[in-house]
Amino acid sequence: DAGVTQSPTHLIKTRGQQVTLRCSPKSGHDTVSWYQQALGQGPQFIFQYYEEEERQRGNFPDRFSGHQFPNYSSELNVNALLLGDSALYLCASSLGAREAFFGQGTRLTVV
Amino acid sequence: GIQVEQSPPDLILQEGANSTLRCNFSDSVNNLQWFHQNPWGQLINLFYIPSGTKQNGRLSATTVATERYSLLYISSSQTTDSGVYFCAVGSSGNTPLVFGKGTRLSVIA
Repeated sequence: DAGVTQSPTHLIKTRGQQVTLRCSPKSGHDTVSWYQQALGQGPQFIFQYYEEEERQRGNFPDRFSGHQFPNYSSELNVNALLLGDSALYLCASSLGAREAFFGQGTRLTVV
Repeated sequence: GIQVEQSPPDLILQEGANSTLRCNFSDSVNNLQWFHQNPWGQLINLFYIPSGTKQNGRLSATTVATERYSLLYISSSQTTDSGVYFCAVGSSGNTPLVFGKGTRLSVIA
């Protein structure tokens, strides 16, 4: 079992650009959640996908959007990047509300 | 929403010492997990423990759900235990995990 995998691992973008991050869940998991972790802080919930629908959303602007595919993999899209979007983006997968497992994260730097 | 507080925020230990990390939460939970974040940012699952006690090698955890707290015990600490330890809780149904601010542990030889 490959566990939760995220790509890319590192990314540098310019202000105003758009970015897409990808996540493949652990085998057998149907729920994918995305988190943003700023330096020195705990992860903050962005949104959760289940059955290809956004089920819950945290306090993030509409510039943050996502998608879940029929194979349960997911994408996080951020438009009109701001310097403050620089962070570690973490994807977690779970089977419903059970134990969540995290990927290694994508470190996004906006310059 | 549910609030999660971890203490202490920082902890420095000599190798071989024992430690206790605490997680307080403000509402009933159906999910509580402890993670260790390594220097590269990956969150490593330590325990899934919405209630009761579990042990895994030198680590153990106890959650007293009725009193809304959880404890993580690290015995005979090693330098590889260094990093940030997070407690995260889910309050009901499929609510996402809410994280505390973490405890930064430094184990020195």
